Amino acid sequence: QSVLTQPSSVSGAPGQKVTISCSGRTSNIGSNYVYWYQQFPGMAPKLLIYNNDQRPSGVPDRFSGSKSGTSASLAISGLQSEDEADYYCASWDDNVVGRGVFGPGTQVTVL
Amino acid sequence: QVQLLQSGAEVRQPGTSVKVSCKTSGYTFDNFHVNWVRQAPGQGLEWMGWMSPNSENTDFAEKFRGRVTVTSDTSITTVYMELRNLTLEDTAVYYCARGRSYFSYWGQGTLVTVSS
Repeated sequence: QSVLTQPSSVSGAPGQKVTISCSGRTSNIGSNYVYWYQQFPGMAPKLLIYNNDQRPSGVPDRFSGSKSGTSASLAISGLQSEDEADYYCASWDDNVVGRGVFGPGTQVTVL
Repeated sequence: QVQLLQSGAEVRQPGTSVKVSCKTSGYTFDNFHVNWVRQAPGQGLEWMGWMSPNSENTDFAEKFRGRVTVTSDTSITTVYMELRNLTLEDTAVYYCARGRSYFSYWGQGTLVTVSS
């Protein structure tokens, strides 16, 4: 069982906005930054959001992250077919020094 | 450009060990931690541990402590992850990833299959 909680799947039509939630605890999301990774089948994950809401160079501004308390969310606006992938939230947990934690992943389907 | 190039797929029997390498290039090796993340077939990502550039500091998830060793050869900017006493549940793709807090660059992954 993952320490962080995500919906197993979300879907939306092209052009719509979808939001993926990530719920944790005070010891992880509540005390540390949240990161988001995108993964296509058979490929390595790719960093999508860092430090809660920052986009690395090259990531479209359709992707946005936010955090409030012990929860975070990733929003994809103007959904495109190429956004169909798995999305993972991640953070660090202060209960155990140096422990990284991932959410179980959310599969995004473009209808 | 930054690259992390991992060694090829491995097949091991239960109870044995595997050592995966991660050759880094395109950046100053001493400036970044390297993490290891694995993904079992059809499953999500699982953080295993990290190593500081000079190998002096390491930390691992509790479930791997005592069973994993991470080392580096700075002369060839390569990091190694050895996992011992393998079980069927260790079958997974193993990734190395650069970063202290978040992972900006990832290796292509190494499939380790544990089978009797």
